[in-house]
Amino acid sequence: DGGITQSPKYLFRKEGQNVTLSCEQNLNHDAMYWYRQDPGQGLRLIYYSQIVNDFQKGDIAEGYSVSREKKESFPLTVTSAQKNPTAFYLCASSIGFGAGYGYTFGSGTRLTVV
Amino acid sequence: SQELEQSPQSLIVQEGKNLTINCTSSKTLYGLYWYKQKYGEGLIFLMMLQKGGEEKSHEKITAKLDEKKQQSSLHITASQPSHAGIYLCGAPPIDGNQFYFGTGTSLTVIP
Repeated sequence: DGGITQSPKYLFRKEGQNVTLSCEQNLNHDAMYWYRQDPGQGLRLIYYSQIVNDFQKGDIAEGYSVSREKKESFPLTVTSAQKNPTAFYLCASSIGFGAGYGYTFGSGTRLTVV
Repeated sequence: SQELEQSPQSLIVQEGKNLTINCTSSKTLYGLYWYKQKYGEGLIFLMMLQKGGEEKSHEKITAKLDEKKQQSSLHITASQPSHAGIYLCGAPPIDGNQFYFGTGTSLTVIP
């Protein structure tokens, strides 16, 4: 079955370390997205990619970086510059980009800074 | 920018009761998506509405989009503990590039 796989489900990071969250999809979707979810704040867009080798900053890109070298993969790196990285991270994809395209979501990664 | 406001923010109901969650947009919607999220997990697609006045049902969940395409409601009939979770509405952009989400409604169903 097609879908989006996020790994790991839980991740612990020491302050000052960079960590990379994995997102892989086998849906043949062109567009992929990373969201951060905090209690009471809903989903906030970190980065998105419309096609391979292209990505754009979302509302809260500071302290994060991404790459899109393959259509299937859109990893997110949380750098030490991110001041408050503890959150639930969701990856999503859509067939196309823009109006009319619904999103398919992964199961999320919960990142905790210790 | 486009905003989606959900109400109520949280809801606690007795099993078997009906409930309604609302999602209101500041702009006319191109489409409206409803998702459900179990605590600590990803979002599961429930339904998508696109036409003014459209109504869709799946099992005991019914979603409607008003004629003006600025408000949607999600109605659960005879709630069960399996309905518990966070319900989010989302809308693709009328302008710009960003898919917008409401802040979510947390539903607890007491057996």
